[in-house]
Amino acid sequence: EADIYQTPRYLVIGTGKKITLECSQTMGHDKMYWYQQDPGMELHLIHYSYGVNSTEKGDLSSESTVSRIRTEHFPLTLESARPSHTSQYLCASSELVGGGYEQYFGPGTRLTVT
Amino acid sequence: KNQVEQSPQSLIILEGKNCTLQCNYTVSPFSNLRWYKQDTGRGPVSLTIMTFSENTKSNRRYTATLDADTKQSSLHITASQLSDSASYICVVTDRGSTLGRLYFGRGTQLTVWP
Repeated sequence: EADIYQTPRYLVIGTGKKITLECSQTMGHDKMYWYQQDPGMELHLIHYSYGVNSTEKGDLSSESTVSRIRTEHFPLTLESARPSHTSQYLCASSELVGGGYEQYFGPGTRLTVT
Repeated sequence: KNQVEQSPQSLIILEGKNCTLQCNYTVSPFSNLRWYKQDTGRGPVSLTIMTFSENTKSNRRYTATLDADTKQSSLHITASQLSDSASYICVVTDRGSTLGRLYFGRGTQLTVWP
C-alpha cells in the first residue's frame, strides 16, 4: 500500500465555489502528478511537478492550479468550480525503480459540481 | 502519436473461470509496460511491470505477457475470484521521458459473478 493520501474522498459543491483538493505523500518522492479521470475513460495528466517550486501543466488543459511549497504536499485548487469540473481527480508520486519510474496513486477525490 | 488500446472494453465471467485481457500500444521509444488494477472509487494499484527484454511475468494469479516486436501485451487471470472485479489498465512509459510520463489505456472493466 502506497503512502499517498488525498482529501476529501468525496466532495459535492455548488457552482462558483473555490475548492482545494489535498494530496500528500510520506515517501519523499520529488515527482508528483495530478490526473483527471471520467468514468470509463483513461487517466489524463493535468499537472505535474519535478520538485519543490516546480509546477507544469500536463496534456489535458485544466482551469485548476497547483502549488508545491513542500516536497510532501501537492494541492490542486479550482478558483471557481463549474459542472464541467465534475470528475475524479487522482494524485500520484513516483520514484526511479530499476531504470524506470514507478508511480504510486492516491485513492482519488470524486468531485461533483452542481 | 503515443497510444494504448485495450480490449475488450468490458468482460463478465463466472467465479473460478480464467480470462485474458489484451493491450496494444504505439508508444515509442518503449521503456516499460505495467498492468494496474483499479477498484471502483480507488486509485490504480500496480500488478506487474515488464521491460523490453521480458516476455512474461507472474504475480500470484496474474500472468502478463509482452511481445515488444508486435507491441502487444496480455494479462491472464487464473481461477477468478469475486474480488477480481475491477478495471484493469494497461500503462506504457516512453524511454525518452525524464518525467516518467505514463500513457494509459481506457481499461477493461471485469465483472466476476458468483
